[in-house]
Amino acid sequence: ETGVTQSPTHLIKTRGQQVTLRCSSQSGHNTVSWYQQALGQGPQFIFQYYREEENGRGNFPPRFSGLQFPNYSSELNVNALELDDSALYLCASSQVPSQETQYFGPGTRLLVL
Amino acid sequence: DQQVKQNSPSLSVQEGRISILNCDYTNSMFDYFLWYKKYPAEGPTFLISISSIKDKNEDGRFTVFLNKSAKHLSLHIVPSQPGDSAVYFCAATGAGSYQLTFGKGTKLSVIP
Repeated sequence: ETGVTQSPTHLIKTRGQQVTLRCSSQSGHNTVSWYQQALGQGPQFIFQYYREEENGRGNFPPRFSGLQFPNYSSELNVNALELDDSALYLCASSQVPSQETQYFGPGTRLLVL
Repeated sequence: DQQVKQNSPSLSVQEGRISILNCDYTNSMFDYFLWYKKYPAEGPTFLISISSIKDKNEDGRFTVFLNKSAKHLSLHIVPSQPGDSAVYFCAATGAGSYQLTFGKGTKLSVIP
C-alpha cells in the first residue's frame, strides 16, 4: 500500500510569484485535503477535494486554489505569493469525505522571500 | 478564536513513566477527536481517535480519555519510550464538517 506523497519537498519563491504543489493520495483513497502549517502552529484546513470538485473550504483567500485529477491526485496553487504564505503545506487523504481519519503526506516546505 | 487548545507547549518525562498530554476544545459540535504524532521533517502520523459516544479508547500503550462535560481530552502513554519523543497534535471534527481543527501541539521529550 502506497502512502501519501508530495512534491517538491522544499521550494523557495519570491513575493508576487505563483506556486503549484502536488500530492498523490494513498492507494484506495478518493478524497484529498490540504492544510497549511505555519511555524509554531497546528495545521490549518485550506480545502478538500472529492471527485474532482471542491468539497469544503477553510478561511483562505481565493488566491489559494486547487485541482483534483481522475486518478485522485491533487494540486494546490497559490497566486500572488505573500511573505506570510511561508509554511509547511500538508496534503491528507481519506477513503471518503466523511471519514474522520485523514492520512498525511510529508509536506512541502515553502519559503517566500 | 482557537477552538482546540493544547496549553502545554512542552512536556518532559522519564523513560518508563506515564506521559499525559492534555487538550481542551470549545466547539460543542465536535464529535470526533484524534491524536497525531509528528516527527521533524515528516507529516503528522495518525495515532488514536475517539468518538464522542465513548469516554475511553485504548490501543496498546496509548489511551485517550474524553470528558465531554468538561470539553477535555487527554492522551496517556504508558510506559513512555524515547521513540515517543515528538510533537503531539490534538485534532477535532464534527457536525458534517470535513475539516480537522488542530491544536498548536505539545512537544514531548522522553528522557532515557
